[in-house]
Amino acid sequence: QSVLTQPPSVSGAPGQRVTISCTGSSSNIGAGYDVHWYQQLPQTAPKLLIYGNNNRPSGVPDRFSGSKSGTSASLAISGLQAEDEADYYCQSHDTSLRGSGIFGGGTKLTVL
Amino acid sequence: EVQLVQSGAEVKKPGESLKISCKTSGYTFTNYWIGWVRQMPGKGLEWMGIIHPGDSDIRYSLSFQGQVTISADKSISTAYLQWSSLKASDTAIYYCARRGFGNSGCFQYWGLGTLVTVSS
Repeated sequence: QSVLTQPPSVSGAPGQRVTISCTGSSSNIGAGYDVHWYQQLPQTAPKLLIYGNNNRPSGVPDRFSGSKSGTSASLAISGLQAEDEADYYCQSHDTSLRGSGIFGGGTKLTVL
Repeated sequence: EVQLVQSGAEVKKPGESLKISCKTSGYTFTNYWIGWVRQMPGKGLEWMGIIHPGDSDIRYSLSFQGQVTISADKSISTAYLQWSSLKASDTAIYYCARRGFGNSGCFQYWGLGTLVTVSS
């Protein structure tokens, strides 16, 4: 059971917009810790997609965007493409765990 | 170019010890935190701990405290993850990753992972 809760799966058709939620609590996201998002394509290492809640590293398409509000965060993917099919993870930190990092359980995105 | 090159796959028996490595290049090793992330077969990512090679400050996740040891050798820009007595439940892919973007706490660069298989 992850401290950060993500839906196990989401899906969408090519061209559509999907969002993935990451629900935390007052000891992690709500405590002001930044939220980061990673994409993991099948059989590959994770890749940083969004850092600091809503910032994209160089090279990440602007179809990907992040937001944070209260004790939750969201990753939005617009103009869905087949190559976006992957697992997505949110990450933050938690004061009740001595400030150590935490990941969400992950969300499998299926492009229909 | 920042690179994190991890050691090769390992097959071990329960009770054996193991030390895997993460050799870095392309940046000043002592300036950035490096962390370890576990991914058990078919499961999600788990944050294990991080080390700052500059001052050897180490932070462990409560789940992994006492179960593994994280270390670093500044002279060869390499971080390590080690076990003194492996269990079958340690079977997983272990990724090393370097923090980036100031104090954000994200992992900006990742190694390809080391598969550790523990089986009798």
